[in-house]
Amino acid sequence: DQQVKQNSPSLSVQEGRISILNCDYTNSMFDYFLWYKKYPAEGPTFLISISSIKDKNEDGRFTVFLNKSAKHLSLHIVPSQPGDSAVYFCAASVQGAQKLVFGQGTRLTINP
Amino acid sequence: GAGVSQSPSNKVTEKGKDVELRCDPISGHTALYWYRQRLGQGLEFLIYFQGNSAPDKSGLPSDRFSAERTGESVSTLTIQRTQQEDSAVYLCASSFPTGVYGYTFGSGTRLTVV
Repeated sequence: DQQVKQNSPSLSVQEGRISILNCDYTNSMFDYFLWYKKYPAEGPTFLISISSIKDKNEDGRFTVFLNKSAKHLSLHIVPSQPGDSAVYFCAASVQGAQKLVFGQGTRLTINP
Repeated sequence: GAGVSQSPSNKVTEKGKDVELRCDPISGHTALYWYRQRLGQGLEFLIYFQGNSAPDKSGLPSDRFSAERTGESVSTLTIQRTQQEDSAVYLCASSFPTGVYGYTFGSGTRLTVV
């Protein structure tokens, strides 16, 4: 049972444009959501997060949107830069639980 | 050290052999987590330590998998009688007790069972 799904295995975006990565979840108990970025041969690094009491969180070029009724979140990167090329994972947690449930990841490629 | 250190970075083993994977967390991080990522899939939770106790080991896939931790330091994940489906990248993360808000991952151990 895949509780967190990233349905796009890959995404290609031109440098300077907006990148939108999507994530859907099924467990209504999830109350905290995170995005991680992963370069090859490195561990994932934390990018941005959002609590279920909010619908938007912004940090520089990165904005995460949460639509609880649709059980959907998205990560917007504006403007996209070549260094943003990586695999992006969304993750979710239930309050009080220490573990994260991850999606399968989306490989983002930024083209010059 | 400055980050989470995992060793070895790569391990090739024959089916049926036992392997040990090591994780050195960030100093002062009392929480430690093991995840694995099989090819084309997301990260799967395996086990969580708070200090040297494991309040949640619900992700360990079978009794061939075990883990231990010495105090608030090194952890070892042991896989006995390895199978080909155990091939994956095994990732360790550590954090302060605040948990999911502040994970730092290591670079992982790529395990290949042949």
